[in-house]
Amino acid sequence: AQSVTQLDSQVPVFEEAPVELRCNYSSSVSVYLFWYVQYPNQGLQLLLKYLSGSTLVKGINGFEAEFNKSQTSFHLRKPSVHISDTAEYFCAGAGNMLTFGGGTRLMVKP
Amino acid sequence: DAGITQSPRYKITETGRQVTLMCHQTWSHSYMFWYRQDLGHGLRLIYYSAAADITDKGEVPDGYVVSRSKTENFPLTLESATRSQTSVYFCASSPGQHLSPEAFFGQGTRLTVV
Repeated sequence: AQSVTQLDSQVPVFEEAPVELRCNYSSSVSVYLFWYVQYPNQGLQLLLKYLSGSTLVKGINGFEAEFNKSQTSFHLRKPSVHISDTAEYFCAGAGNMLTFGGGTRLMVKP
Repeated sequence: DAGITQSPRYKITETGRQVTLMCHQTWSHSYMFWYRQDLGHGLRLIYYSAAADITDKGEVPDGYVVSRSKTENFPLTLESATRSQTSVYFCASSPGQHLSPEAFFGQGTRLTVV
């Protein structure tokens, strides 16, 4: 069975600073990995996905993530955050079903 | 409208009552899912369906019933609601693991059991 762990429940950061949200996975089968974003009172939107190929994946809103097989990680990064990036971010992995991490609340401060 | 829609968006019900949350998708995706979102637990899978008339339990199925008579609909029923089922419920759909495994989510239903 696959499990996904998000190492930080909250990440405060100042506007225009870089940010990294950490995600580790465990799996013995083929790996599909995703990052979703949830804005207040909304559903989840797909930010980016890794299915195969290049380990650096670019997504919407300037986010990117790097698949690292040796460290079983899929960390999400953005070089300069905006106030509008304040949201909950979920890492997820897919085997037969989609399994989510516990979420990381990104709080961007002016 | 195209996409995945949940209804109602908000629901208050009493302990012991039966309540059904509706989910409808227009993409003809094979897979559909029900998750509940609770503070401190992230999203937990309740039930999923790989196709019409095929359903399976997820991580937290107790107290819930699902059906999938048509590909586009996947209702979730709480047979006898309890306060512990107060949560935000999300429905999602996916074309399937070998086609495009990401899931597309509805806007959620906020259920309060009093």
